[in-house]
Parts: sequence; structure tokens; C-alpha cells
Amino acid sequence: SQTIHQWPATLVQPVGSPLSLECTVEGTSNPNLYWYRQAAGRGLQLLFYSVGIGQISSEVPQNLSASRPQDRQFILSSKKLLLSDSGFYLCAWSTGTGSYEQYFGPGTRLTVT
Amino acid sequence: SQQGEEDPQALSIQEGENATMNCSYKTSINNLQWYRQNSGRGLVHLILIRSNEREKHSGRLRVTLDTSKKSSSLLITASRAADTASYFCATDNTGGFKTIFGAGTRLFVKA
Repeated sequence: SQTIHQWPATLVQPVGSPLSLECTVEGTSNPNLYWYRQAAGRGLQLLFYSVGIGQISSEVPQNLSASRPQDRQFILSSKKLLLSDSGFYLCAWSTGTGSYEQYFGPGTRLTVT
Repeated sequence: SQQGEEDPQALSIQEGENATMNCSYKTSINNLQWYRQNSGRGLVHLILIRSNEREKHSGRLRVTLDTSKKSSSLLITASRAADTASYFCATDNTGGFKTIFGAGTRLFVKA
């Protein structure tokens, strides 16, 4: 069976510090991978998606970046965090074309102070 | 930009009652999905309805889709306290690579 992992679960970082959130998927090959951000009590904002290794599409211009160094690994990064980067970050995967259901990780709660 | 918008934003009902949530969207879609999110957790897929379908059932869930009105509804029958969660509609119109989520309906079921 497939599983998706995210870490850390919670993170408190000062403004201007770097960020690295990691997401890994097990039990499937060549998944589509997604990073979302959710503000408190709000919907999901798609940040990045990837259809393959090294292929990243950015949906929202900001100080975040994403990378996919391996087939089932997706990393969200920032060189300098802003207060507005606080939120709940969710990684998700889907099997790709023809299958639209997305499977979500448990999320990372990021607080920038 | 958000494609789907849920209505109401929040809903409070008694256990055993039915809960109905609505979703409206703006552009043509390939499919529409509903997800549930318990507080502080990831989203869980509930049901997908394709653009050529009008109604779909899954257990206590009933989803309808009206493409002429660009709207969908999610009905949860005989609600339980465990149904307390946020419910999101999500649409795809890009051929399967991106799904756009609405802002969600927060459902509270009182025991």
C-alpha cells in the first residue's frame, strides 16, 4: 500500500531563517507531487506541482522553491522566511493522467516569528 | 485563484440530521471531487464525480453535479459526531495535473 510522509510535523522559525520541508511517498512510482499551503480556516493554495524528477511548476510567485531530487521525494525550501510564510503545508500525490484523486500527507505546521 | 466556492462557510447540526453543502465553480471542468479534513490533519478524498455524471453515492454520501449551473452538492445523511470536519470541493480542468480547492465548509455535528 502507498504511504506519504511529511516532516517535521511542526516548526517554529524566525523571520529570515531558511526552510526545508520534506515529503516522501512509498509504494508507488512516478507520482505527481504537490505542495499546498493552507492559511488558518481557509482553503488550499497550490504552490508547486511536479510530474517527474527535476520537473517543477510554480503556481504562485513567492520566496519559496521546490525540488524533486528523486522520483518519490519532494522538498519545499526557502532561503529567507517571511512572516507571511506561516501556515499549514501539505504535500500530496496522485497517480497522474486519468486519475485525479490526491492523497495527502499529515502536514507541517509552520510558524514564522 | 480559487475555482470552487463552498456554501455555507459553516454549518452546525444535531447528530442524526442531514447535512448539505454546496459548491459553485466558474469554468468548465473534467471532474469535481469532495474531500474531508479533520482539524490539523491532511485531506481525505471522499468522492469524485465526472462531468458527464449527475449523481453519485458512497455510503452515507450523495453528490450531485449540475454542469449547467456549475454547481455541486454534498449530502451527508444521518450525520454523526465523527463527521465533524471541514469539507472541500475541488475541480480539475487541466487534464489531470492540477486540482483547485475551494475554501471549504466547516461542519459541526453536535452529539
